[in-house]
Amino acid sequence: DQQVKQNSPSLSVQEGRISILNCDYTNSMFDYFLWYKKYPAEGPTFLISISSIKDKNEDGRFTVFLNKSAKHLSLHIVPSQPGDSAVYFCAAGSGTYKYIFGTGTRLKVLA
Amino acid sequence: NAGVMQNPRHLVRRRGQEARLRCSPMKGHSHVYWYRQLPEEGLKFMVYLQKENIIDESGMPKERFSAEFPKEGPSILRIQQVVRGDSAAYFCASSLQSEYEQYFGPGTRLTVT
Repeated sequence: DQQVKQNSPSLSVQEGRISILNCDYTNSMFDYFLWYKKYPAEGPTFLISISSIKDKNEDGRFTVFLNKSAKHLSLHIVPSQPGDSAVYFCAAGSGTYKYIFGTGTRLKVLA
Repeated sequence: NAGVMQNPRHLVRRRGQEARLRCSPMKGHSHVYWYRQLPEEGLKFMVYLQKENIIDESGMPKERFSAEFPKEGPSILRIQQVVRGDSAAYFCASSLQSEYEQYFGPGTRLTVT
């Protein structure tokens, strides 16, 4: 029973264009969501978070959108850069420490 | 301002041996979490500890696995009598408070031969 799903295992985007990574969840109790980026042989790096009281949070080139009714969130990266090539994980929790992670989407930004 | 540190980065053990994985949280963080990542899967929560206390070990197998976070020193994840299925990347994370973002270490890649 996968409560957090990232249905696209991989995504390729041209440099300078927008990357959109999607994440769906099933548990309506989740109220805090995070995105992490992971390079090979490294640990996940925290990128951006959003609480359920918001529908958008922005940090530089990264914006996360939350659609509670659809139980869907997305991470937008604009403009995409080759250094953004990594695996992106979304994670969801209900106000506590126990985050459920998706299986990740591998983003490749083509120069 | 060191981040979360884990050692060793790579660990090879034969079946039946013990594996000890160490994690030093970020300075000022007293909350430590261990996760396991199997190939092609997401990170799975194993255990949450504060200094000298196990708060939640619901994600940890009941047998052979144990974790501690002593008053002094790093947190230790211990796997006794390892089997091939224990081969995975083990990540440690720490946070300032339990509901805050978690910051991850580089992981320990355990290979059981």
